[in-house]
Amino acid sequence: AQSVAQPEDQVNVAEGNPLTVKCTYSVSGNPYLFWYVQYPNRGLQFLLKYITGDNLVKGSYGFEAEFNKSQTSFHLKKPSALVSDSALYFCAVRDFGSGNTGKLIFGQGTTLQVKP
Amino acid sequence: SQTIHQWPATLVQPVGSPLSLECTVEGTSNPNLYWYRQAAGRGLQLLFYSVGIGQISSEVPQNLSASRPQDRQFILSSKKLLLSDSGFYLCAWSAYGQGKNQPQHFGDGTRLSIL
Repeated sequence: AQSVAQPEDQVNVAEGNPLTVKCTYSVSGNPYLFWYVQYPNRGLQFLLKYITGDNLVKGSYGFEAEFNKSQTSFHLKKPSALVSDSALYFCAVRDFGSGNTGKLIFGQGTTLQVKP
Repeated sequence: SQTIHQWPATLVQPVGSPLSLECTVEGTSNPNLYWYRQAAGRGLQLLFYSVGIGQISSEVPQNLSASRPQDRQFILSSKKLLLSDSGFYLCAWSAYGQGKNQPQHFGDGTRLSIL
């Protein structure tokens, strides 16, 4: 069965330090991977995606993610965290059994807390 | 550019009352449409999705139903709300038929409280 795991419920970092939010996946075939951010009482905002090509993907707000096929991981990173990055982050993978429906399988989310 | 609208932003309803939440998308045609519920600010549960007018797929058995009367309109309904229907409801769209690499785009949600 296809799945996405975000092993940390919460990540705490100090402002200015690098941050990493972890994601691992299990799919049959090549994965299509996505990261989203959610601020309180708002919808999810798309940050970046990996489809094919370069393993380091750059996205919005200075975020990037590194695809590692051997470790089946897609960790979200940022070189220098901001207090305003504090939010809930979701990793997702395309559901390959879903045809043209565009369905995604989401992780449970990781809360990022950046302290000044 | 494409936009997605959801309303209302917040809703307080008594148990047993009906529900209608609406979602519309602008700037695209024939989108895939989705309804999610998010409990306690954590994981997302896919409730319904639609690949075209009148085509609704339900992911989980529940007290809710969905309809798609127009290409870019998606409605979530209930005849009688239960306490367990409380939550944050999110509508999303994605481009249909353009490959499997298209992200979903979300509205700002409706916070539903059942009293």
